Amino acid sequence: GENVEQHPSTLSVQEGDSAVIKCTYSDSASNYFPWYKQELGKGSQLIIDIRSNVGEKKDQRIAVTLNKTAKHFSLHITETQPEDSAVYFCAAGLGRGSTLGRLYFGRGTQLTVWP
Amino acid sequence: GAGVSQSPSNKVTEKGKDVELRCDPISGHTALYWYRQSLGQGLEFLIYFQGNSAPDKSGLPSDRFSAERTGGSVSTLTIQRTQQEDSAVYLCASSLLSANTGELFFGEGSRLTVL
Repeated sequence: GENVEQHPSTLSVQEGDSAVIKCTYSDSASNYFPWYKQELGKGSQLIIDIRSNVGEKKDQRIAVTLNKTAKHFSLHITETQPEDSAVYFCAAGLGRGSTLGRLYFGRGTQLTVWP
Repeated sequence: GAGVSQSPSNKVTEKGKDVELRCDPISGHTALYWYRQSLGQGLEFLIYFQGNSAPDKSGLPSDRFSAERTGGSVSTLTIQRTQQEDSAVYLCASSLLSANTGELFFGEGSRLTVL
C-alpha cells in the first residue's frame, strides 16, 4: 500500500519568513495530493491540493509543488503570519471516483510562527 | 449545523467496555469517512460510506470495530471490548465527492482514552 513520509515534524519560523514542508510517497498510482491544516478546536481543513498532471499550484501565500518522477511534493508558505501556526498534514490518494476521500496521510508538521 | 459534528468530544472508558462514537455529516454530503489519529501519527483510514453502504472497510483494525450509517446521514462507530491501543482521536469527515474536488470536511474528533 501507499506510504507517505513527511518532514520536518516540527518547524519554527519568524513572522514574514517562508516555511517549507516536504512529503514523499511510495505508490506511483497516486495522483491526488491534498494538504490539510489542523488547528486547535477546529476540524482539519483543506488548504490546497494538486493533481499529477500539474507541477505547481499557487493560492495567494501558499503553493504546492509536485515531482512525480521523484515521488515527492512540498508545501510552501511565504510571508508567514502567526495565524499560520497549526499542524499541517500532507496526503496522497488515487484521486478518482469513490477513492477521492481514501487518503494516506503523513504524520504531520507542527508549524509555529513567532511574531 | 454548518459543519461536521461529532460526539462525544471526549470519552474515557475502562478496558473491556464498549464505546459508541457518533458523526453527523454536513447535510447533503453522500460520502462519509472515519479516520483515526493516534499520538504522533498521521490520520489512519478506517472506513468509507457512500450513502448507507460501506464499500471500503479495509482500514478497520479488528473485528471489534464496526460502523453503520443510517438514512444516508448519521454514522456510528462502535468499538467493542476496548483495549488501551484503541486510545486515539477518531475523526469523521464528509464529502460531496464531486468530479472537481475530493475535499474532506472534518469534524473536531472524538478523543477516546482507554484506561
